[in-house]
Amino acid sequence: DGGITQSPKYLFRKEGQNVTLSCEQNLNHDAMYWYRQDPGQGLRLIYYSQIVNDFQKGDIAEGYSVSREKKESFPLTVTSAQKNPTAFYLCASTSRDDYSGANVLTFGAGSRLTVL
Amino acid sequence: DAKTTQPTSMDCAEGRAANLPCNHSTISGNEYVYWYRQIHSQGPQYIIHGLKNNETNEMASLIITEDRKSSTLILPHATLRDTAVYYCIVRFPRSGNTGKLIFGQGTTLQVKP
Repeated sequence: DGGITQSPKYLFRKEGQNVTLSCEQNLNHDAMYWYRQDPGQGLRLIYYSQIVNDFQKGDIAEGYSVSREKKESFPLTVTSAQKNPTAFYLCASTSRDDYSGANVLTFGAGSRLTVL
Repeated sequence: DAKTTQPTSMDCAEGRAANLPCNHSTISGNEYVYWYRQIHSQGPQYIIHGLKNNETNEMASLIITEDRKSSTLILPHATLRDTAVYYCIVRFPRSGNTGKLIFGQGTTLQVKP
């Protein structure tokens, strides 16, 4: 079945450590996104990528980095510069050429990061 | 993308219709209205979208006002499994506009027995 796989589902990190969250999709989607969600809050955009080898900062990119070397993969690194990294991280993707007009976002199940 | 405004929370009795409003007064002519929902600790799920006309699918109905400045998502017979946060988003649907997507805080719908 096509979809988005995020791993790990739960991750614990010590302060000062970088951590990379994986996001893989087999939907042949062009655009991919990373969102952060804090308890009781909506989704805030961290980074997005419309095509391979290109990405743009979202609203809260500081302390995060991404890469888009392959169409299927959009990993997010939470660096030690991120001051409050404990959160629920969601990856999503959408097609650039959805001629049905829907261009629906598909989300992964999320990764919950806790900094100890 | 246009900004949306939704009530923070709503309650609904099980088996009754749930009507979730969304204001998008700055919507432009080619922007669609999309609805997603997020069950606790899961990724958001697409529900429905529309441009001008009312839309219906197996999950819900979407009613968009004639001036397109607001819309209502209708869950015709709410069940306990419909308890979730519902997000209304306004955006362009096609390529070239697959950029920044803005999710607000959404409406927390509590379906009660």
